[in-house]
Amino acid sequence: AQKVTQAQTEISVVEKEDVTLDCVYETRDTTYYLFWYKQPPSGELVFLIRRNSFDEQNEISGRYSWNFQKSTSSFNFTITASQVVDSAVYFCALSEVYNQGGKLIFGQGTELSVKP
Amino acid sequence: DTEVTQTPKHLVMGMTNKKSLKCEQHMGHRAMYWYKQKAKKPPELMFVYSYEKLSINESVPSRFSPECPNSSLLNLHLHALQPEDSALYLCASSQEGLAVSYNEQFFGPGTRLTVL
Repeated sequence: AQKVTQAQTEISVVEKEDVTLDCVYETRDTTYYLFWYKQPPSGELVFLIRRNSFDEQNEISGRYSWNFQKSTSSFNFTITASQVVDSAVYFCALSEVYNQGGKLIFGQGTELSVKP
Repeated sequence: DTEVTQTPKHLVMGMTNKKSLKCEQHMGHRAMYWYKQKAKKPPELMFVYSYEKLSINESVPSRFSPECPNSSLLNLHLHALQPEDSALYLCASSQEGLAVSYNEQFFGPGTRLTVL
């Protein structure tokens, strides 16, 4: 069965520290998509990245980077030199190609608190 | 215009009231979604519309009634709600019809609903 696990419920860091948010997924499909979303206190989920199952290249976008490893079914997210504005809940999500309706399977979320 | 708007931002209603939530997008997206999110939990899918037709109903109680008057608008009609229905209601849209699994979903800021 499909499942996304974010084992870290809450993380607290001090500004400028690096922080990694873990995401482990389970799926029987060979073709699937992984996403990360950010939900700041305002409530809106903001799309950060999409990765398909055939592309294991790591991605960097400014202070954000993502490490996708099929061998360990993980899609981890690292924030370098964290800032107070990074404080939010971060969700990892899975979507399967043959899954009707493009349904997103969300992890439970990791609440990141960055203190000044 | 790359945003999804939702009105109202906050809504307080009694258990006998009838109210509606509204969602609008002008990105030409063909799939629209309603999610319910309780505090400290991930969003739960309620309904998916694809090309203005209801394609997924996640066994939602009939006191929630969705409507898609046109490709840009999505409503959620509420009637005889229970206090446990209090939550953040999020609307989202994605580019393709039939909610293709690789499309990222764009979320609105949500309506925070309190049922007394």
